[in-house]
Amino acid sequence: GESVGLHLPTLSVQEGDNSIINCAYSNSASDYFIWYKQESGKGPQFIIDIRSNMDKRQGQRVTVLLNKTVKHLSLQIAATQPGDSAVYFCAEWNPSEGKLIFGQGTTLQVKP
Amino acid sequence: ETGVTQTPRHLVMGMTNKKSLKCEQHLGHNAMYWYKQSAKKPLELMFVYSLEERVENNSVPSRFSPECPNSSHLFLHLHTLQPEDSALYLCASSQAQGYEQYFGPGTRLTVT
Repeated sequence: GESVGLHLPTLSVQEGDNSIINCAYSNSASDYFIWYKQESGKGPQFIIDIRSNMDKRQGQRVTVLLNKTVKHLSLQIAATQPGDSAVYFCAEWNPSEGKLIFGQGTTLQVKP
Repeated sequence: ETGVTQTPRHLVMGMTNKKSLKCEQHLGHNAMYWYKQSAKKPLELMFVYSLEERVENNSVPSRFSPECPNSSHLFLHLHTLQPEDSALYLCASSQAQGYEQYFGPGTRLTVT
């Protein structure tokens, strides 16, 4: 089946810097993408989503970029804070299989 | 976490026990899901219910048995589990399939 992957298992950034978490997907038919944040001991929390008819979407301190040409998705976090430390997952909606497919996750560590 | 709740939060059971996990969503959603989350692996979809009908069963062993009595409640009945079934079991719900999913906090299951 198709897979969704993240480029780096761990990303370490300084507090106050911007963070960029990347994700590559392989199913060109996927038309909906979601970023989730999972803190220790909790379930994944919805952050932001984007549909394939868009290439950028902004939320509060977060921006998702979608490049369909190279099948790449990224999550940008502005002014990273200690509370942003978590595992971040991307997920793609596979319309033919009718389900979300999740990547393995990137652990974001924020250094004070 | 008041949107999707799960009980119990932690469960230790022997291989001959029978137990049930419970999930309740307070979001008025029509689709509910069970996922398994193991260390170092992506989220694995187990079951999908849409409008109380099971629409997905991802080749899950029969020792896991889901039940969806109404659109707000979802159960996962467990019997004669194996130690490799130890994992975090996550419940999620969405407005419909193909929309963002909201997760509960999970049940940490340990099979001894």
